[in-house]
Amino acid sequence: AQSVTQLDSHVSVSEGTPVLLRCNYSSSYSPSLFWYVQHPNKGLQLLLKYTSAATLVKGINGFEAEFKKSETSFHLTKPSAHMSDAAEYFCVVSVNTGGFKTIFGAGTRLFVKA
Amino acid sequence: DGGITQSPKYLFRKEGQNVTLSCEQNLNHDAMYWYRQDPGQGLRLIYYSQIVNDFQKGDIAEGYSVSREKKESFPLTVTSAQKNPTAFYLCASRGQALISYNEQFFGPGTRLTVL
Repeated sequence: AQSVTQLDSHVSVSEGTPVLLRCNYSSSYSPSLFWYVQHPNKGLQLLLKYTSAATLVKGINGFEAEFKKSETSFHLTKPSAHMSDAAEYFCVVSVNTGGFKTIFGAGTRLFVKA
Repeated sequence: DGGITQSPKYLFRKEGQNVTLSCEQNLNHDAMYWYRQDPGQGLRLIYYSQIVNDFQKGDIAEGYSVSREKKESFPLTVTSAQKNPTAFYLCASRGQALISYNEQFFGPGTRLTVL
């Protein structure tokens, strides 16, 4: 069975400090992993994705994530938070089990303090 | 300008009424999806379609219906049988349905409120 766990429902940081949003996954198949961002009352926008190439993935807006198979993790980081980063972030696992299956994490709300 | 459009952005419905949410894409994607999002929760899959004239139930299909008569369009009908329809509804599409590393592209969403 496949699952994804976002370890924090809320994260609060000060502007200019690093961001860490944690995601663990479980999969019997080789997964593709994604991070999406959602601003209030908007759709989801892709930040980055891992597709079994480089384990360190760089995305838009200065975000990056590292795939660690031994730890079954795919944490999202950013060196310096901006006010505009305040949003909800979703970690997503996708596998092809003979049929396509996508599992969304519950989301992490990021607050950025001035 | 390619993308996914959903209309309307806000929708109000009286109890007992059916209502249809529109989703159109001009990305030439094969697969389309409908999700429901409630406050503090992740996305839950309602229906999906991997090809025209075919669709499958997701995890919470009861009280909803869809059609896929054209590749570009995947409308969702919220019927009176849906007991708690107030939510934010998101439509998404993917290029090739069975390639797992293809990301989903999302529309801007429709917020449905039942009065």
